[in-house]
Amino acid sequence: AQKVTQAQTEISVVEKEDVTLDCVYETRDTTYYLFWYKQPPSGELVFLIRRNSFDEQNEISGRYSWNFQKSTSSFNFTITASQVVDSAVYFCALSEGRRKTSYDKVIFGPGTSLSVIP
Amino acid sequence: ETGVTQTPRHLVMGMTNKKSLKCEQHLGHNAMYWYKQSAKKPLELMFVYSLEERVENNSVPSRFSPECPNSSHLFLHLHTLQPEDSALYLCASSQDSNYGYTFGSGTRLTVV
Repeated sequence: AQKVTQAQTEISVVEKEDVTLDCVYETRDTTYYLFWYKQPPSGELVFLIRRNSFDEQNEISGRYSWNFQKSTSSFNFTITASQVVDSAVYFCALSEGRRKTSYDKVIFGPGTSLSVIP
Repeated sequence: ETGVTQTPRHLVMGMTNKKSLKCEQHLGHNAMYWYKQSAKKPLELMFVYSLEERVENNSVPSRFSPECPNSSHLFLHLHTLQPEDSALYLCASSQDSNYGYTFGSGTRLTVV
């Protein structure tokens, strides 16, 4: 069975601090995809990144970086020099590569609520 | 036009009312989804439509009735709801390409 765990329910940091959001996943598939989404107070989930299971290179996009470690089944997300606009709920998600359904079945973690205090 | 559009953004309805939520996507995606997000709870998948056919219904009460008249439109018809149905209802769409979902902004529903 597939599962995504985000052990941190809520995190508070002071502006300009770095913060890492943890994500641990479980799957028996050898091909799979991992995602991070951001949900600001407005409600819409915004896509941040997609990573396939064969690409373990870490990725950096501005202040955001992602660390994919297959050995520990983790896909952690770090925000450097956090800003108030980073305050949101962040969801990690997993989808199977070899689809067993006629649609993309994405499993979401419970989310981590990040508050950046000015 | 933006990818996935949901209307209305906010809805307050009484327990005896009938209302519908609308979702529209102009991305050419072939699957559409309804999610429920209650306060302090994980995202709950309600329904999935793939190529306009309902392919998943996760034990959702019959007071929620989905409709997918074509690949671009998805509705959620609501009737005789309960206060515990108050939540954010999110629509999403995807193409069968493992590129994940595109979400709408959601409808924040309050049942009084």
